[in-house]
Amino acid sequence: AQKVTQAQTEISVVEKEDVTLDCVYETRDTTYYLFWYKQPPSGELVFLIRRNSFDEQNEISGRYSWNFQKSTSSFNFTITASQVVDSAVYFCALSEGGWRGGSNYKLTFGKGTLLTVNP
Amino acid sequence: DTGVSQDPRHKITKRGQNVTFRCDPISEHNRLYWYRQTLGQGPEFLTYFQNEAQLEKSRLLSDRFSAERPKGSFSTLEIQRTEQGDSAMYLCASRGGGFNYGYTFGSGTRLTVV
Repeated sequence: AQKVTQAQTEISVVEKEDVTLDCVYETRDTTYYLFWYKQPPSGELVFLIRRNSFDEQNEISGRYSWNFQKSTSSFNFTITASQVVDSAVYFCALSEGGWRGGSNYKLTFGKGTLLTVNP
Repeated sequence: DTGVSQDPRHKITKRGQNVTFRCDPISEHNRLYWYRQTLGQGPEFLTYFQNEAQLEKSRLLSDRFSAERPKGSFSTLEIQRTEQGDSAMYLCASRGGGFNYGYTFGSGTRLTVV
């Protein structure tokens, strides 16, 4: 069975600080996908990134960066120079899939990390 | 393309009543998912449709829950004899074929059972 653990329930930082959100996952599949979503107070889930299990390259998108390490089953998310608008709940999610037929790619989410960025 | 639409956005109902939610996916997406999110938790998978076929149901989907997707277009999720424990955000998501197509989530229907 697949599982995602986000150990940090809440994080509070002051604007312009860097912050890292941790994500540890468990899966028996060799092919899987990892995601990060942002959920602002409005409730909508906003897609941030998807990585597949064969691509361990780190990725940077503006102030956001992701560190994927299969050796530790982690997919951590760093926001550089945080802003008040970054305040939201952030979810890490896992989808098993791959070459076998019939995979429905359902997502298993962690419990989320509430990030509060104070001015 | 207006994204995934869910209706209503909010629903307050008395315990024991039946409720029905609707999801309109992105028109070219043939895969549709329902998730439930309770306060302080991540979304949990409920059920999956590929076209009109319901291919997987979570054990979270008790006998009081039923989902349909007639003609492989919009989907409905009905809860019969609602209980206070059903209070949650119900999220719908759709995606196209293959996994190069990412998920698109709707804004959700927030159900409060009083």
